[in-house]
Amino acid sequence: EAGVAQSPRYKIIEKRQSVAFWCNPISGHATLYWYQQILGQGPKLLIQFQNNGVVDDSQLPKDRFSAERLKGVDSTLKIQPAKLEDSAVYLCASSLEGGYGYTFGSGTRLTVV
Amino acid sequence: SQQGEEDPQALSIQEGENATMNCSYKTSINNLQWYRQNSGRGLVHLILIRSNEREKHSGRLRVTLDTSKKSSSLLITASRAADTASYFCATDKNTGNQFYFGTGTSLTVIP
Repeated sequence: EAGVAQSPRYKIIEKRQSVAFWCNPISGHATLYWYQQILGQGPKLLIQFQNNGVVDDSQLPKDRFSAERLKGVDSTLKIQPAKLEDSAVYLCASSLEGGYGYTFGSGTRLTVV
Repeated sequence: SQQGEEDPQALSIQEGENATMNCSYKTSINNLQWYRQNSGRGLVHLILIRSNEREKHSGRLRVTLDTSKKSSSLLITASRAADTASYFCATDKNTGNQFYFGTGTSLTVIP
């Protein structure tokens, strides 16, 4: 079984620029999550999708972050404009049922300079 | 916040010794999970324990859950250098299906 695919693996941008991350979950996994992991901290949930609908985006900074999962499969997370404090690893995870045995991708390491 | 807290923050042991990590959380849960993260990698699911379970085993891993104390422990027996990683507990709310991660324990196993 293929894992959760994420791209790019690394990204370096200047502050105020825009950036987008892509995630392709495991086939058949209805639930998709985006997490932000700042160095030295645990992952923080940003948004949860069930198929193509948003279940929870209460911790997503909506003034600059947006995410979509239009066809209920792959998903993109965008930051516009980026700030220095957005430097982190952005992790995508998927699961068959919400909350059970997540499978994580390798993440995208974002550095904002 | 539902986020769990792991203890200790860092742990260094000799290969062959056992490693114990603890997780405390604040509100009632349905499930608790433990994950491992190697440096620069994504998280790997280790084990899930439900609120009506008290202990669970998987290979060299033993997880306990005490819902009265709102705490869990992860025991790794006969540790190996390859066990060097950060370990996180993740808890859900008993009304939802999102998992919230703690701050992690960084385990170093010295060969």
